[in-house]
Amino acid sequence: DQQVKQNSPSLSVQEGRISILNCDYTNSMFDYFLWYKKYPAEGPTFLISISSIKDKNEDGRFTVFLNKSAKHLSLHIVPSQPGDSAVYFCAASVYGNKLVFGAGTILRVKS
Amino acid sequence: DGGITQSPKYLFRKEGQNVTLSCEQNLNHDAMYWYRQDPGQGLRLIYYSQIVNDFQKGDIAEGYSVSREKKESFPLTVTSAQKNPTAFYLCASSPAGWTQYFGPGTRLLVL
Repeated sequence: DQQVKQNSPSLSVQEGRISILNCDYTNSMFDYFLWYKKYPAEGPTFLISISSIKDKNEDGRFTVFLNKSAKHLSLHIVPSQPGDSAVYFCAASVYGNKLVFGAGTILRVKS
Repeated sequence: DGGITQSPKYLFRKEGQNVTLSCEQNLNHDAMYWYRQDPGQGLRLIYYSQIVNDFQKGDIAEGYSVSREKKESFPLTVTSAQKNPTAFYLCASSPAGWTQYFGPGTRLLVL
């Protein structure tokens, strides 16, 4: 049972444009959500997180939006840069306990 | 420099052999985790420990064992009972839950 789903395996965006990565979840008990970026053969790097009491969190070029009624979150990257090309994972947890990860979305930013 | 280290970077296992993957952190984090990543999939939780001398099974614990004798160290043993051990193994730590920070990973291959 996949509790966290990233339905787009890959996304291709032109440099300077917006990248939007999406994530859906099924467990209404999730109260903390995170996005990680991962390069091949490396560990994931934490990008940004959001608590269920918020609907938006920004950090520089990265913004995460949470729609609790739709059980959907998204990561916006503006402007996209070639160095953003990586695999992006969303993850969710209940009360800060073990994380449940999506399968990841490969982002390619073309220059 | 504070961080999480994993060794070795590559590990080869022969049939019927147990192998141990090392994970050390100097971030003073209470919680530590082991994940496995297979191609095209997200990270799946093997074991986690929220405090020294205590650990819990994750979603795919069969064929694996761990110990947590020191706060800084959380080694993972892949036993001969794990029939499909080839994967990328990631260790993470967090301050009492919430955001997890990952090490660089160990790739395990079967000879």
